[in-house]
Amino acid sequence: EAGVAQSPRYKIIEKRQSVAFWCNPISGHATLYWYQQILGQGPKLLIQFQNNGVVDDSQLPKDRFSAERLKGVDSTLKIQPAKLEDSAVYLCASSLARTSGRAGELFFGEGSRLTVL
Amino acid sequence: GNSVTQMEGPVTLSEEAFLTINCTYTATGYPSLFWYVQYPGEGLQLLLKATKADDKGSNKGFEATYRKETTSFHLEKGSVQVSDSAVYFCALSRGGGADGLTFGKGTHLIIQP
Repeated sequence: EAGVAQSPRYKIIEKRQSVAFWCNPISGHATLYWYQQILGQGPKLLIQFQNNGVVDDSQLPKDRFSAERLKGVDSTLKIQPAKLEDSAVYLCASSLARTSGRAGELFFGEGSRLTVL
Repeated sequence: GNSVTQMEGPVTLSEEAFLTINCTYTATGYPSLFWYVQYPGEGLQLLLKATKADDKGSNKGFEATYRKETTSFHLEKGSVQVSDSAVYFCALSRGGGADGLTFGKGTHLIIQP
């Protein structure tokens, strides 16, 4: 079974530039999450999708961050314009629907490391 | 709001030593609790979980018991191996529709031969 795929693995940009990250979840997983992990900290949830609808985006800085999940499969996270404090690893995760009884059992990709100069 | 507090690392132990990594939580309602692990060069993966009070999660020799009275979910292993060296994250899921995990800061475990 293929895992969660993310790209790019690494990205270096200057502040005020824009960047986009792509995620392809495990086939059949209805729920998709984007997390931000700053060095030395635990992952912080940015947004959760159930199929192609947003379930929770309460911690997403909406003035600069946006995310979409078209057709309920792949997802893109965009930052525009980037700030120095956005330097972090952006993790995508997917899981089966809550009704499966497997809530909280997330499968993570390897992450996209962003450096903002 | 929800939060998870873990013991600070790094934690350095000798092979075959007993391991405890403390985790306490603050949450409304009845969250599910998890331990995730990140081995060097790999992505985060689920280690074990418990969904209600007094449940014990176990996997790969690791155990953790959901203690509602002390709001804790400490991770234990009786005899650690060098291959257990990794970063361990305690997490909770508040349930309901928005069930994204809240993670602790992580504890870096180093096992020396």
